[in-house]
Amino acid sequence: AQSVTQLDSHVSVSEGTPVLLRCNYSSSYSPSLFWYVQHPNKGLQLLLKYTSAATLVKGINGFEAEFKKSETSFHLTKPSAHMSDAAEYFCVVSVTSIGGGADGLTFGKGTHLIIQP
Amino acid sequence: SQTIHQWPATLVQPVGSPLSLECTVEGTSNPNLYWYRQAAGRGLQLLFYSVGIGQISSEVPQNLSASRPQDRQFILSSKKLLLSDSGFYLCAWSVQAGRADTQYFGPGTRLTVL
Repeated sequence: AQSVTQLDSHVSVSEGTPVLLRCNYSSSYSPSLFWYVQHPNKGLQLLLKYTSAATLVKGINGFEAEFKKSETSFHLTKPSAHMSDAAEYFCVVSVTSIGGGADGLTFGKGTHLIIQP
Repeated sequence: SQTIHQWPATLVQPVGSPLSLECTVEGTSNPNLYWYRQAAGRGLQLLFYSVGIGQISSEVPQNLSASRPQDRQFILSSKKLLLSDSGFYLCAWSVQAGRADTQYFGPGTRLTVL
């Protein structure tokens, strides 16, 4: 079984300061990990994904995440927040079953990022 | 490039009325297709997924159903809506049999049941 925990339901930062959104996962197998962003009343947009290549993954809009197996973490960071980053962020884990079936993704409950001017 | 469409964008329906939400994907063949629901203040819940025409797997028991009449068309239906069916419905697609199984989401449909 797999699970994902987003440690903060809300994060508030000032514009221009660093962003850290925390995510821990558990998985019986080597996971694939994703971060998605959702702006109000919009679909989810893929920010980045980890698939057992480089542990530091760079995504769109200046975001990056580091896979740390020893800590079972996949935290999302950005050096300098912009007002347009205000949105809901979802950490997601995916594990391909032994049978290779079409597994759904397991979503975290989301972190609401607030950017203060 | 691939695109995914959902309609309608918003819908207000009375309790007990039928429902039909449509999702279509362009620019890819034989995708996996998914329906999710996002209720207010909650995460995403996988409702159905499909690996091919006529092949539907249900993740949770409910009064909703899904159908895949064509390779790139996925429909979510209900015969009688409940108040608890209100939420934001998202369709997604992924390539077949990919280990990463990245899913790409549509713009969503906001359903309000009154």
